[in-house]
Amino acid sequence: EPEVTQTPSHQVTQMGQEVILRCVPISNHLYFYWYRQILGQKVEFLVSFYNNEISEKSEIFDDQFSVERPDGSNFTLKIRSTKLEDSAMYFCASTGGGTNEAFFGQGTRLTVV
Amino acid sequence: GDSVTQMEGPVTLSEEAFLTINCTYTATGYPSLFWYVQYPGEGLQLLLKATKADDKGSNKGFEATYRKETTSFHLEKGSVQVSDSAVYFCALRPAYSGAGSYQLTFGKGTKLSVIP
Repeated sequence: EPEVTQTPSHQVTQMGQEVILRCVPISNHLYFYWYRQILGQKVEFLVSFYNNEISEKSEIFDDQFSVERPDGSNFTLKIRSTKLEDSAMYFCASTGGGTNEAFFGQGTRLTVV
Repeated sequence: GDSVTQMEGPVTLSEEAFLTINCTYTATGYPSLFWYVQYPGEGLQLLLKATKADDKGSNKGFEATYRKETTSFHLEKGSVQVSDSAVYFCALRPAYSGAGSYQLTFGKGTKLSVIP
């Protein structure tokens, strides 16, 4: 069964450092998403990406964040200068479009120290 | 804005007990409603969904009915198993979503533990 894969599963970084979270969406999907869940809080939408550009983003997705599809398979989330409050589980998702189901990855737990 | 409220966990049940996890929402119009499940060490998986009022979503013995009058989408299962232990998330997708728009609004999640 096709699946979305995320790497690494857990990343620890120092405050102020840049991090890149990686995702490999399902191969024939066209729409890609990042969500995050701060411990004990709700899963929150960050950004959606289609046709090599951002299609929607939330208030959380400020200038510290960027997304990229550097090649035909990877979809990355970059946090330029991490803050303690960026510590969270980050989920990648993809969908083929329309009302098709969104498939989520297993998440990357980011810990900023 | 849109919001989803689900019952606080954790919930601990004995095997074969009846499960209800409450979920209510606030949104404009008729959003699509979902239950996602996250098993330990895995990603979010769609469990079931309903896209219009009075629809019933069902999967793996779980059911939820879209109630517009009470803005609810409670998850139920008649007889839980140890393998159902997981975190369950209620979510909505706005009614006005365009093609490919999957900006979901999630609840906080409810952790279910089923003991033998």
